[in-house]
Amino acid sequence: SQTIHQWPATLVQPVGSPLSLECTVEGTSNPNLYWYRQAAGRGLQLLFYSVGIGQISSEVPQNLSASRPQDRQFILSSKKLLLSDSGFYLCAWSLYRTRYEQYFGPGTRLTVT
Amino acid sequence: DQQVKQNSPSLSVQEGRISILNCDYTNSMFDYFLWYKKYPAEGPTFLISISSIKDKNEDGRFTVFLNKSAKHLSLHIVPSQPGDSAVYFCAASAWLGNKLVFGAGTILRVKS
Repeated sequence: SQTIHQWPATLVQPVGSPLSLECTVEGTSNPNLYWYRQAAGRGLQLLFYSVGIGQISSEVPQNLSASRPQDRQFILSSKKLLLSDSGFYLCAWSLYRTRYEQYFGPGTRLTVT
Repeated sequence: DQQVKQNSPSLSVQEGRISILNCDYTNSMFDYFLWYKKYPAEGPTFLISISSIKDKNEDGRFTVFLNKSAKHLSLHIVPSQPGDSAVYFCAASAWLGNKLVFGAGTILRVKS
């Protein structure tokens, strides 16, 4: 069966510091991968998605970036965090070349102070 | 531009009664719809989906209804249980798209 891992679970970072969140998927090959953010009291905002190694589509202009160095690894990064980057970050995967269900990881709670 | 709208921020229902969560969409290209359930500090979990070729899909206590002419879908939970208390997100996908568009969510509280 497929599983998705995210770490860390919680993170407190000062403004201006870098960020690296990692997501890995097990039990499937060539998945579509997604990064979402849920701000307090808001819905899920799609940040990036990837349909293959090195292929990243950005949905929202911001100071975040994403990379996919391996088939089942997806990384969310920032060089300098802003206060507005605080939120709950979720990684998700779906089967390649489908629009079907996305399956989410446990999330990372990021607080920028 | 909110393409998927959940106009009720919250809903409170008595245990054993029916919960009805609503969702409206504006993009006529959407042809696949999903409902997710989310507990605090956890990732959303997939509940049920429906293709635009259907108007109803049922899975246990959960039924999703789709009214394409009204661009409206609803999730019925019968009977509601305290463990159903969570945030429910509606999501939609367009043909040939890799993405889901999510609504803002509705907080469901089931009182025992």
